Amino acid sequence: KNEVEQSPQNLTAQEGEFITINCSYSVGISALHWLQQHPGGGIVSLFMLSSGKKKHGRLIATINIQEKHSSLHITASHPRDSAVYICAVRDTGNQFYFGTGTSLTVIP
Amino acid sequence: ETGVTQTPRHLVMGMTNKKSLKCEQHLGHNAMYWYKQSAKKPLELMFVYNFKEQTENNSVPSRFSPECPNSSHLFLHLHTLQPEDSALYLCASSRGGGLGEQFFGPGTRLTVL
Repeated sequence: KNEVEQSPQNLTAQEGEFITINCSYSVGISALHWLQQHPGGGIVSLFMLSSGKKKHGRLIATINIQEKHSSLHITASHPRDSAVYICAVRDTGNQFYFGTGTSLTVIP
Repeated sequence: ETGVTQTPRHLVMGMTNKKSLKCEQHLGHNAMYWYKQSAKKPLELMFVYNFKEQTENNSVPSRFSPECPNSSHLFLHLHTLQPEDSALYLCASSRGGGLGEQFFGPGTRLTVL
């Protein structure tokens, strides 16, 4: 069983829809990250969270430490948001664990 | 453009071949990383170099051999690979050690026949 589980694995949405991607983890963490990987491979870090909520443009990330759960929300989705979104955690021993990713396709 | 380049972008090799992947960063970072990304599997951290010294080797088979001649360059030497080694190999660099501070390259898509 993976230390980080994401859902859904695949998601298709119409342009403009509100999107939620979920991440659950089983280890004690010092930080949680949301990464974006576009077709072609390169990865970009979107957020680093250790508590609460962060917002950047149309992206919002939340974390509930007690429930060991985080969500990534995209408001007013756009085709350029189509990518794989990866949840990753750094545990208290400085080990990184990655989810398998959520593949998002936004249709115009 | 993240400031981290990888060559080649695609590589097809036989199991008896020897090849090398190259990563270069132009960001003045002191840490560099190799990751493996297989289909339907999580990212796997393979090697970490900090100031040219290898600080992490996550049980990677010896057919993968890293080399870090200076803080800007990182190589992954490949020999006698197996078909299951086919994957996307990603390089990253950072000034600090946190994942959020890492800048990733575009990756090398490796196919082992």
